[in-house]
Amino acid sequence: GAGVSQSPSNKVTEKGKDVELRCDPISGHTALYWYRQSLGQGLEFLIYFQGNSAPDKSGLPSDRFSAERTGGSVSTLTIQRTQQEDSAVYLCASSLAGRAPEAFFGQGTRLTVV
Amino acid sequence: DAKTTQPNSMESNEEEPVHLPCNHSTISGTDYIHWYRQLPSQGPEYVIHGLTSNVNNRMASLAIAEDRKSSTLILHRATLRDAAVYYCIPTRGIQGAQKLVFGQGTRLTINP
Repeated sequence: GAGVSQSPSNKVTEKGKDVELRCDPISGHTALYWYRQSLGQGLEFLIYFQGNSAPDKSGLPSDRFSAERTGGSVSTLTIQRTQQEDSAVYLCASSLAGRAPEAFFGQGTRLTVV
Repeated sequence: DAKTTQPNSMESNEEEPVHLPCNHSTISGTDYIHWYRQLPSQGPEYVIHGLTSNVNNRMASLAIAEDRKSSTLILHRATLRDAAVYYCIPTRGIQGAQKLVFGQGTRLTINP
């Protein structure tokens, strides 16, 4: 079966433009996570969706960042008015529900803001 | 959320065992201990997790201290492919609340 799929794999955008990053989780996985990883840095938690519960948005760095998950499946991370400091690899992961589920990560979207 | 402390880096030789420590002294009674690793230019991958008892799988073993304030990930015979950043992550053992928060991890170098 397919793993977590992210698109595009690379995105170059001009400062001030909006971008949308897409994540297709593994079928049947109810939990979905977004992270970002700047060059040489660790993974920064952004947002976590679990089933029909309200998402945990505690990691979103500013109101320029938003994410939605339609129909409990595909998720889109939107960054408005991009800044150069938004340049990073954005990683998505999904997992089943449960007390200690294994999360599966996609290969990420490398975003470069010029 | 429980805080973790891991060495910034460790080095080992190929085909030797590696013991990666993690201190999680603020862990609560229902928190699981997860380990993930991130190979160069890849997304993280799950390694192992446990609650109280030691755990073994095809990748590694996890030894959990009796007081659960620390744990050790054991790679029995390191290969070059095991060079990665290893993350120890406590998660709340409550359905629907398994947010994974990554720390800085331990960068493991394997010498041929």
